[in-house]
Amino acid sequence: GAVVSQHPSWVICKSGTSVKIECRSLDFQATTMFWYRQFPKQSLMLMATSNEGSKATYEQGVEKDKFLINHASLTLSTLTVTSAHPEDSSFYICSAHQRGIAGELFFGEGSRLTVL
Amino acid sequence: LAKTTQPISMDSYEGQEVNITCSHNNIATNDYITWYQQFPSQGPRFIIQGYKTKVTNEVASLFIPADRKSSTLSLPRVSLSDTAVYYCLVGPFRYSSASKIIFGSGTRLSIRP
Repeated sequence: GAVVSQHPSWVICKSGTSVKIECRSLDFQATTMFWYRQFPKQSLMLMATSNEGSKATYEQGVEKDKFLINHASLTLSTLTVTSAHPEDSSFYICSAHQRGIAGELFFGEGSRLTVL
Repeated sequence: LAKTTQPISMDSYEGQEVNITCSHNNIATNDYITWYQQFPSQGPRFIIQGYKTKVTNEVASLFIPADRKSSTLSLPRVSLSDTAVYYCLVGPFRYSSASKIIFGSGTRLSIRP
């Protein structure tokens, strides 16, 4: 089946630095990718919808200048957490929908960010 | 996107059949029902998807009544490895930038020996 890969799977950074997380669809083209954030023992919270070739659509309360999303190709979307702070520490998950195919969303393995 | 309601948690024992019900009263005509499983520190994994009546695959069955306002995920003969959080998602046949996929609270299933 289709595979979505995230990189890195975990990252530790100092407060004030920026971190980039990549989400790749390995064997299919994804016109739309979704970015989620998940805190311990909570559900996934949608942050933004990433659209290939256009600006991302952010959910209410998510700062677009802090969480930069780029979807430059049909197989890659990136999430950059700028000027990270400890409260940004979380589990970030992307998902992708295969272009032209209905139904199943494919999720990445997730990326755990720890900001010191 | 249709809102879903599930029990927060369920407990069962190895070898038992587990049924998790999800309510989605506002489901739209072109919405499908999809169930995902999530283990700690992993992304959700697809289990099963259906539109109406019954769907069965190698790991689960999905029962959807005629009014489609609810669905039941059935896990036959669970094992300890089925301990996870299960999410019911409702969304359109073709996902697009206008189709946000919102997760509900999920059901935390705990299987005991």
